[in-house]
Amino acid sequence: DQQVKQNSPSLSVQEGRISILNCDYTNSMFDYFLWYKKYPAEGPTFLISISSIKDKNEDGRFTVFLNKSAKHLSLHIVPSQPGDSAVYFCAASVVTSYDKVIFGPGTSLSVIP
Amino acid sequence: DSGVTQTPKHLITATGQRVTLRCSPRSGDLSVYWYQQSLDQGLQFLIQYYNGEERAKGNILERFSAQQFPDLHSELNLSSLELGDSALYFCASSQGPQETQYFGPGTRLLVL
Repeated sequence: DQQVKQNSPSLSVQEGRISILNCDYTNSMFDYFLWYKKYPAEGPTFLISISSIKDKNEDGRFTVFLNKSAKHLSLHIVPSQPGDSAVYFCAASVVTSYDKVIFGPGTSLSVIP
Repeated sequence: DSGVTQTPKHLITATGQRVTLRCSPRSGDLSVYWYQQSLDQGLQFLIQYYNGEERAKGNILERFSAQQFPDLHSELNLSSLELGDSALYFCASSQGPQETQYFGPGTRLLVL
């Protein structure tokens, strides 16, 4: 049973345009959400997070939106740059359950120059 | 560079064998996590240690075990290896529970 889903395995976007990566979750107990970026031959790198008490968190070109009623979050990258080409993992956890983080399968983003 | 080191980078072995993967967390981090990433799969949480003690367990097989030593480095032991155990194994560390995790570069295991 996949608790964190990323239904788009891949996404291609033109440089300068917006990239929108989507993530859905099934466990309503999740209250902390993270996005990680992974380049080939490297470990995942933390990108941005959001707590369930917020519906938006912004860090430079990266914004995460959370819709708790829909159990959906999205990562917006504006403007997209070729260096953003990577696999993006959505992750979720229940803060009170220590930090057993559940990762989604990832979305491979290609930003075309 | 996340500050988390993993050795070896690559490991090729045969079915039925036993291997040990090693992880050194970032300086000051007390929590260590192990993840498995199989082909076309997301990161599967295996196990977490905090300051030497097991804190949380995920989808870890009985053939797998881990420990965290007094110097905080951790080892993941995989035994009676099967072809399906071929995967990338990542270690991550954080200052404590509920803190951001920093990942190592991974160990690529190939079981032939």
